Amino acid sequence: EAQVTQNPRYLITVTGKKLTVTCSQNMNHEYMSWYRQDPGLGLRQIYYSMNVEVTDKGDVPEGYKVSRKEKRNFPLILESPSPNQTSLYFCASSFSRTGGQPQHFGDGTRLSIL
Amino acid sequence: AQKITQTQPGMFVQEKEAVTLDCTYDTSDPSYGLFWYKQPSSGEMIFLIYQGSYDQQNATEGRYSLNFQKARKSANLVISASQLGDSAMYFCAMNREYGNKLVFGAGTILRVKS
Repeated sequence: EAQVTQNPRYLITVTGKKLTVTCSQNMNHEYMSWYRQDPGLGLRQIYYSMNVEVTDKGDVPEGYKVSRKEKRNFPLILESPSPNQTSLYFCASSFSRTGGQPQHFGDGTRLSIL
Repeated sequence: AQKITQTQPGMFVQEKEAVTLDCTYDTSDPSYGLFWYKQPSSGEMIFLIYQGSYDQQNATEGRYSLNFQKARKSANLVISASQLGDSAMYFCAMNREYGNKLVFGAGTILRVKS
């Protein structure tokens, strides 16, 4: 089954404790992306990757890091989480040529930073 | 820069009736794509329908249709014969033809009444 898998689904942690949210896709997609969802703001792109070792900032990259060492994996790293990073996070993937290709989303990771 | 506006924070519709969710967009790109996603209370993002800016006909997918009015820069979602399972948050989004980044609106919560 084609899917994007995020882990963990839920996490409550404390300010300053480094955490990583993993994302893996099994569709051989070149493009992967992270979004955060906040009430009244919809989803906003954090970082994206066009292929292995190619990453770039989205609209709200502050406080986040990413890496793309393998095509299927695109982890999101919060080196020193703060309460304003409490949010619902989505990983998404697609082929690089868009046309009408919808992005496939993971089921989301709900992070609470205390 | 691209922008999506969803002016209806919440909508109610009676079961079996049709409902229109509004979406207007702003872009200077000559070619772009428009998407609608559904987010049920469980949180996942479900792709519903896509419209390309050069598509002559309005897109349809089962009970979903996209009322695309290019001159007015609107891309409204029409759900026919509403069902209780249609109760969810609905997001309008757009991207560039040669870019994968999705820009989302703030969303509209739809509640279907029995």
